Amino acid sequence: EVQLVESGGGLVQPGGSLRLSCAASGFTVSSNYMSWVRQGPGKGLEWVSVIYSGGSTKYAESVKGRFTISRDKSKNTLHLQMNSLRPEDTAVYYCAGDLGTHSFDYWGQGTLVTVSS
Amino acid sequence: SYEVTQPPSVSVSPGQTASIPCSGDKLGDYYPSWYQQKPGQSPVLVIYQDTKRPSGIPERFSGSNSGNTATLTISGTQAMDEADYYCQAWDSSTALYVFGTGTKVTVL
Repeated sequence: EVQLVESGGGLVQPGGSLRLSCAASGFTVSSNYMSWVRQGPGKGLEWVSVIYSGGSTKYAESVKGRFTISRDKSKNTLHLQMNSLRPEDTAVYYCAGDLGTHSFDYWGQGTLVTVSS
Repeated sequence: SYEVTQPPSVSVSPGQTASIPCSGDKLGDYYPSWYQQKPGQSPVLVIYQDTKRPSGIPERFSGSNSGNTATLTISGTQAMDEADYYCQAWDSSTALYVFGTGTKVTVL
C-alpha cells in the first residue's frame, strides 16, 4: 500500500522560512515525478513544484525563487524548502506522486502552513 | 502560461447524469485528468489521460475529450458523489502542471 505522509507545517511570520517533508512508503520517490500541491483556505488546488525522476525541477511563477524542491533517496523522502514566506502562501500543502501519466495518482493527507504575524 | 476553465457549480438530481466541462486551447494535447475532493479530504484521481479510470474508481465515472473541451461525466449520480471536482492538465512544452478552478457538484 502506498503512503505519503507530510510533516513540517506550522505557524510562521511573514518573511520566515519553513521546510516541509513527505515520507513515502510502498512508493519510490526518486523513480517517479513528485510534486507539491497547495490549497488555500476555501480555495482550489494550486500546483506548486515538481521534481522529475531525472532530477530536473519546475516551479509555479508564484513561488519561483523562494521555494526549493528536493528529495533524499536514502530516506525515500521529498522536501520543500520555503523561504521569504508571504501571507498568501497560507495553505494546506500536499505531496503528490505521478507515475508518469502526468496526473497525480497518490496524495498525502496534507500539512497546514500558516503565514501570519 | 497554460490555463483551463471550469464552471463554478453543477447541480444534478440523484440517478441522473452530471457533465462537468473543462476548457483549454487544444486541451486534448495536455493529458487532461480529473480529481474528486470531498470536504476535509485529500483529492482522489478519478480519470487520467482523457478517458482512463484508475483501479477502484466506479464505472459511473467517465471522461471524454473533443479537442478544446474535456468532460467528466457521472452517470447515475449518487449522493456520495457530491464533491468538488478539479480538472488538471500537463503542458509538455514547459513541463508544468495546471489545475482548473474547480466545480462544485451538488446532488439535489
